[in-house]
Amino acid sequence: DAKTTQPPSMDCAEGRAANLPCNHSTISGNEYVYWYRQIHSQGPQYIIHGLKNNETNEMASLIITEDRKSSTLILPHATLRDTAVYYCIVRVATGANSKLTFGKGITLSVRP
Amino acid sequence: KAGVTQTPRYLIKTRGQQVTLSCSPISGHRSVSWYQQTPGQGLQFLFEYFSETQRNKGNFPGRFSGRQFSNSRSEMNVSTLELGDSALYLCASSLIGYSHTDTQYFGPGTRLTVL
Repeated sequence: DAKTTQPPSMDCAEGRAANLPCNHSTISGNEYVYWYRQIHSQGPQYIIHGLKNNETNEMASLIITEDRKSSTLILPHATLRDTAVYYCIVRVATGANSKLTFGKGITLSVRP
Repeated sequence: KAGVTQTPRYLIKTRGQQVTLSCSPISGHRSVSWYQQTPGQGLQFLFEYFSETQRNKGNFPGRFSGRQFSNSRSEMNVSTLELGDSALYLCASSLIGYSHTDTQYFGPGTRLTVL
């Protein structure tokens, strides 16, 4: 699986959009970009994933660059409950391989 | 629908002992994966079971083992515990484990402390 690079931390004000960057310059054509988050001492929670098109769901939007070497997770209106570690993961999602390879993630702190 | 459950939630053992952790996946899910999370190494994949067979394995010593039952419930066992095995052990389940739409759902974890 390709590796990802994320800044260690960032913060944003409550109610503002949080834009979390991820670099995955060695991503292969059959690898998807996944985002999970982990609130302190809980199990990771799936947020969103995509291949090459931008994706949106009730939690967030995922913007993947045209060359697929980087992506941005957008939380449109961050709340205090969004304070967590966010993991960007790339993974082949076909074939018998469900393994998720977690990096260090980015710690998002939402301030009042 | 009930989520992934793990028992026990907290466990204290001493070096040299063995421990068994249990995971009940979401109803209908047949793939169960195990992860270890430590402050130093982060989240690391241990192994994955599907239809009672180990399908993938991470880079852990043979002291770490697991199994899956016909109802998809899974257990992992750590023998001859070492201080470094202190960690949060997470279980994740998914339907079949190899489709991009097949989301992995994590349980709350078992916090193991080895003294």
